[in-house]
Amino acid sequence: ETAVFQTPNYHVTQVGNEVSFNCKQTLGHDTMYWYKQDSKKLLKIMFSYNNKQLIVNETVPRRFSPQSSDKAHLNLRIKSVEPEDSAVYLCASSPWTGGQNTLYFGAGTRLSVL
Amino acid sequence: QQKVQQSPESLSVPEGGMASFNCTSSDRNFQYFWWYRQHSGEGPKALMSIFSDGDKKEGRFTAHLNKASLHVSLHIRDSQPSDSALYFCAASAGSFNKLTFGAGTRLAVCP
Repeated sequence: ETAVFQTPNYHVTQVGNEVSFNCKQTLGHDTMYWYKQDSKKLLKIMFSYNNKQLIVNETVPRRFSPQSSDKAHLNLRIKSVEPEDSAVYLCASSPWTGGQNTLYFGAGTRLSVL
Repeated sequence: QQKVQQSPESLSVPEGGMASFNCTSSDRNFQYFWWYRQHSGEGPKALMSIFSDGDKKEGRFTAHLNKASLHVSLHIRDSQPSDSALYFCAASAGSFNKLTFGAGTRLAVCP
């Protein structure tokens, strides 16, 4: 049963455009994440938020900026997309930040940059 | 070099057979390990977690952890076509739940 919702499912855009992806979780979790899955299916964490506060910010280009209005929502904006940004962006949540917590993923947003 | 390495890259088993996956970590800070499964077009879904040395069994799935060698394995008995998917090993050092994923093993279960 889906409890982490991502929109849109797909997005096709051109180099230099701005895009935004949305994520909402209905699990009542405190922590949310953005992961990037590349064409080889490698998964890498980009950001994590705990109760609207940024707690993890991996080395990602400055054109990426996460935004959280409340603990149930975490959006991702890419200011000026590059070809290497083509990937699947996966949102996830967990009850809290502790290392023993399972992550619950959404279905992802597939971005294609032409 | 990836901190979590998986083998094999791909695996094919007959329906009803046993599928086995291996995972080795190079970071001794990792304390918590998971197996996630991803079907095509979906996000990864947690199958099992294992935090202590030894075996953990849940239905058809058995995970084994050896912290001394930083090796974790997953075995699926009586494999079904619906088990065909990409399987990821993931590890966490415990701080801020920064999960590090392996590159995945693709399983095909042939009817």
